[in-house]
Amino acid sequence: SYVLTQPPSVSVAPGQTARITCGGNNIGSKSVHWYQQKPGQAPVLVVYDDSDRPSGISERFSGSNSGNTATLTISRVETGDEADYYCQVWDSSSDHVVFGGGTKLTVL
Amino acid sequence: QVQLVESGGGVVQPGRSLKLSCAASGFTFSNFAIHWVRQAPGKGLEWVAVISFDGSENYYTDSVKGRFTISRDNSKNTVFLQMNRLRPEDTAVYYCAKDRGADASAGSDYWGQGTLVNV
Repeated sequence: SYVLTQPPSVSVAPGQTARITCGGNNIGSKSVHWYQQKPGQAPVLVVYDDSDRPSGISERFSGSNSGNTATLTISRVETGDEADYYCQVWDSSSDHVVFGGGTKLTVL
Repeated sequence: QVQLVESGGGVVQPGRSLKLSCAASGFTFSNFAIHWVRQAPGKGLEWVAVISFDGSENYYTDSVKGRFTISRDNSKNTVFLQMNRLRPEDTAVYYCAKDRGADASAGSDYWGQGTLVNV
């Protein structure tokens, strides 16, 4: 089955740029979606189809996807960005949705 | 505005059954796929199942295949998850989530607040 690998944690100072990676075999050939989840809340879609943003999501959130790695980039990080972030793809070979294990973003 | 409201969770003994419901409003329900995603306490997101816009296709994660059944009633804007032969490892908050598309691959743009299942 298809596996997505994320770092368990990323730390960044306010105002800096956070990059959260999502590794998978030839992930560049798939559409990657990213979710933000704060404690006690439902997930929120922040990037879809590798690099598009839903309406209402800050332009500080951006995404890229190539080769074996997709990346969520959060620019000018704010304390309110502290959350768990998950990548997700549809694996057509198994007809399964696959989530990465999640990355906890800590704003120092 | 788009709303998804889950119900039906609770405490259940191993081996028993439970049926979750997800009532949707604020969008053309019959045009979109709907997912169930769960989250065990302190753990990450785990996809459970998806049903296509018209109910003609559904897919399951391997650990629930043969035990869980996803269905939908487009006349009532509701999706269901029938869970049989429940196991302790099924304990989680269960979310329903609207896909951006008619099948399962476009990402989920709206989520309910979840319902807790405790086995």
